[in-house]
Amino acid sequence: DAGVIQSPRHEVTEMGQEVTLRCKPISGHNSLFWYRQTMMRGLELLIYFNNNVPIDDSGMPEDRFSAKMPNASFSTLKIQPSEPRDSAVYFCASREREMVGELFFGEGSRLTVL
Amino acid sequence: RKEVEQDPGPFNVPEGATVAFNCTYSNSASQSFFWYRQDCRKEPKLLMSVYSSGNEDGRFTAQLNRASQYISLLIRDSKLSDSATYLCVVNSNSGYALNFGKGTSLLVTP
Repeated sequence: DAGVIQSPRHEVTEMGQEVTLRCKPISGHNSLFWYRQTMMRGLELLIYFNNNVPIDDSGMPEDRFSAKMPNASFSTLKIQPSEPRDSAVYFCASREREMVGELFFGEGSRLTVL
Repeated sequence: RKEVEQDPGPFNVPEGATVAFNCTYSNSASQSFFWYRQDCRKEPKLLMSVYSSGNEDGRFTAQLNRASQYISLLIRDSKLSDSATYLCVVNSNSGYALNFGKGTSLLVTP
């Protein structure tokens, strides 16, 4: 079975550029999460969707970050404009049901902003 | 205070040793507790859930102390393949999402 699929796996961009990260959750999973991981701060929850609806975006660092889930099989995380401090690994994860069960992570998108 | 705190380590132990990791959490209303494992440059994966009565999965034993808001993971007979970062995970205030500790690094040496 396919797991959570993220793209791109690696992205190097220059400060000020727009970055779009993509995620396909596991089919049938109703909950989707975006996390960011850095050495300094560990794994931080950015936003959580349930049934394609954003439930909690309190972790989104600022207005430069936005996330969408237009349908059950696709989500995007956009950073515009990007800054060097946005450099991190961005993980998408999905779970079968709200509040219950294992969180399955994608392999992550490693972002470097120069 | 961070919601989930762990000793970052690293813990360097020889093969066959027993090693224990601890974790504290700040939200007394938390109901769900887990240990995840993350290999270098890989995604986190569920190792085991933590139940109130404590639970075992092979060489791994997890304990929960609600009064002290403390979770532990014991690994017996360590293998080289156990080398990884172990993440303590607790459900968030909302109950929907999971909050991760920064992880404890384990290196098992021959």
